[in-house]
Amino acid sequence: ELKVEQNPLFLSMQEGKNYTIYCNYSTTSDRLYWYRQDPGKSLESLFVLLSNGAVKQEGRLMASLDTKARLSTLHITAAVHDLSATYFCAVVTSGTYKYIFGTGTRLKVLA
Amino acid sequence: DTGVSQDPRHKITKRGQNVTFRCDPISEHNRLYWYRQTLGQGPEFLTYFQNEAQLEKSRLLSDRFSAERPKGSFSTLEIQRTEQGDSAMYLCASSPGGERQRKQFFGPGTRLTVL
Repeated sequence: ELKVEQNPLFLSMQEGKNYTIYCNYSTTSDRLYWYRQDPGKSLESLFVLLSNGAVKQEGRLMASLDTKARLSTLHITAAVHDLSATYFCAVVTSGTYKYIFGTGTRLKVLA
Repeated sequence: DTGVSQDPRHKITKRGQNVTFRCDPISEHNRLYWYRQTLGQGPEFLTYFQNEAQLEKSRLLSDRFSAERPKGSFSTLEIQRTEQGDSAMYLCASSPGGERQRKQFFGPGTRLTVL
């Protein structure tokens, strides 16, 4: 069964610094998604990555996908406090509609 | 675009009771998903509808759980004979059909507490 792992699970960083969150998955997939969840709130879709080498960027966040390595990264550039949230990646196994979510990375950006 | 709505937002029930939750997706979205999320965990897939057809259902969903989407509009999720382990946030999401690159839009969730 498809497994999705994220690391780190917790990340505390200073404003202005850069960091990367990693998402590994165990079987072939043709779609990978990134989401943000604020405490006590629902999920917000950030990026959809469909093909090997895909890169999407919005503001200080950039996501990429390497399907051969079964790895996606979410890179944070010059972090600001407003980026503090939990970030999830999710993978859909080829031929299904079942989204498998990672464990989440809880990001705290310190002023 | 009024977003995905869920009702009720909170539900407290006693063990053994049945509960039903409702999800109203964004009106032009033909895809609808239900998830369950417990504290500190990622959402866990429960089921998927395309229009009124339930096309995928998690093996984790026991016989006590059932979902419907009559007429391909709103959906309901029913839990029979609730157990304390059913306490969680139940999330509904919808997305447009067609291209694979469509994002999911999530509702605010229904928080279930089973006493």
